[in-house]
Amino acid sequence: QKEVEQNSGPLSVPEGAIASLNCTYSDRGSQSFFWYRQYSGKSPELIMFIYSNGDKEDGRFTAQLNKASQYVSLLIRDSQPSDSATYLCAALEDYGGSQGNLIFGKGTKLSVKP
Amino acid sequence: DTGVSQNPRHKITKRGQNVTFRCDPISEHNRLYWYRQTLGQGPEFLTYFQNEAQLEKSRLLSDRFSAERPKGSFSTLEIQRTEQGDSAMYLCASSLWGWGETEKLFFGSGTQLSVL
Repeated sequence: QKEVEQNSGPLSVPEGAIASLNCTYSDRGSQSFFWYRQYSGKSPELIMFIYSNGDKEDGRFTAQLNKASQYVSLLIRDSQPSDSATYLCAALEDYGGSQGNLIFGKGTKLSVKP
Repeated sequence: DTGVSQNPRHKITKRGQNVTFRCDPISEHNRLYWYRQTLGQGPEFLTYFQNEAQLEKSRLLSDRFSAERPKGSFSTLEIQRTEQGDSAMYLCASSLWGWGETEKLFFGSGTQLSVL
């Protein structure tokens, strides 16, 4: 069973702090990883994706990937109350070389306190 | 481009009834996915299409679930003989496969199903 594991939280950080969200995945064949943000009652929204080991930065967001450890993380700098949401980590499932659907974790609920 | 559109937004039905949901993907997208999400869980993959071909359907939850994408544009997801355990948010997503960075899925607003 291919899985993506996340700490469900809630993770609470003060406004302006760095929020660190982590996930691990079981499928060594997965090559692409995604972070989605989901506000309560809304659909998931893509915020970051990463294919290569190392860091990828986009504004206040940094995604980190370590394929050897099967570990993905998302850092949110200068956290704002509007960042309060559930963050879903997803891995692109590998079908022996062909690529298919996303496997999602359960999500980590982030709360940013003013 | 108005994004991925799903109808209806909400559906309340009685146990044993059949329901059908519709998804209109982003117009130039060739892949269409169906997911189910229950409270406190991440989206769970059900099936997907590339154009009109259904490339994976073994993850459909039972033989009561079926999906179609007859002309490679909109798709429908049907659940026959609904059960209370089918109550969930059904999400549709689309992507443009085959051109550059293409694995990015864009989700619709979902259809919330309640089975009484």
